[in-house]
Amino acid sequence: AQSVTQLDSHVSVSEGTPVLLRCNYSSSYSPSLFWYVQHPNKGLQLLLKYTSAATLVKGINGFEAEFKKSETSFHLTKPSAHMSDAAEYFCVVSGVPYSSASKIIFGSGTRLSIRP
Amino acid sequence: DAGVTQSPTHLIKTRGQQVTLRCSPKSGHDTVSWYQQALGQGPQFIFQYYEEEERQRGNFPDRFSGHQFPNYSSELNVNALLLGDSALYLCASSPTSGTNTGELFFGEGSRLTVL
Repeated sequence: AQSVTQLDSHVSVSEGTPVLLRCNYSSSYSPSLFWYVQHPNKGLQLLLKYTSAATLVKGINGFEAEFKKSETSFHLTKPSAHMSDAAEYFCVVSGVPYSSASKIIFGSGTRLSIRP
Repeated sequence: DAGVTQSPTHLIKTRGQQVTLRCSPKSGHDTVSWYQQALGQGPQFIFQYYEEEERQRGNFPDRFSGHQFPNYSSELNVNALLLGDSALYLCASSPTSGTNTGELFFGEGSRLTVL
């Protein structure tokens, strides 16, 4: 069975300070892990993905995530927040390649707010 | 290159009515998945279509049905609408020929309000 837990429903940071959005996962297989971003009234956009290559994954807009198997975590970070980063972020776990679509599990989301 | 397009963007229905939502996948994609996103929650998987057949289904009742056309576009139909069906309905396409890596391309969604 697979599951994903986003540890914070809301994170607020000041512009120019670091961002940390936390995600823990559970998977019976070696997982693929993703972060998606959703701006207000928009669809979801892929930020980055981990698929068993390098454990530190770089994505778009300066975001990174590190896969830590021992901690079953895949936290999303950015060194310096920008106002345009304000959005909802979803952590997603998928089983082995070619798994069932129903096993692509979305977290409940973390709303990121940026203070001027 | 057009991405995933969905229509309509917003609609209002009353309880008991039926609704049809439409999706055109990204060019080159042949697999379409539908998700329901209630306010403040993550997307929930409804079903997936590939080769004009429903291949996978999430935990949704039979009131939710769909179709995929030969050009890979898809429809989501919901019958006997309930207040709880109010949500953003997202279509996602993928180039995975029925396989699922988790990498999805989403449309902007259709926001359904049921009164």
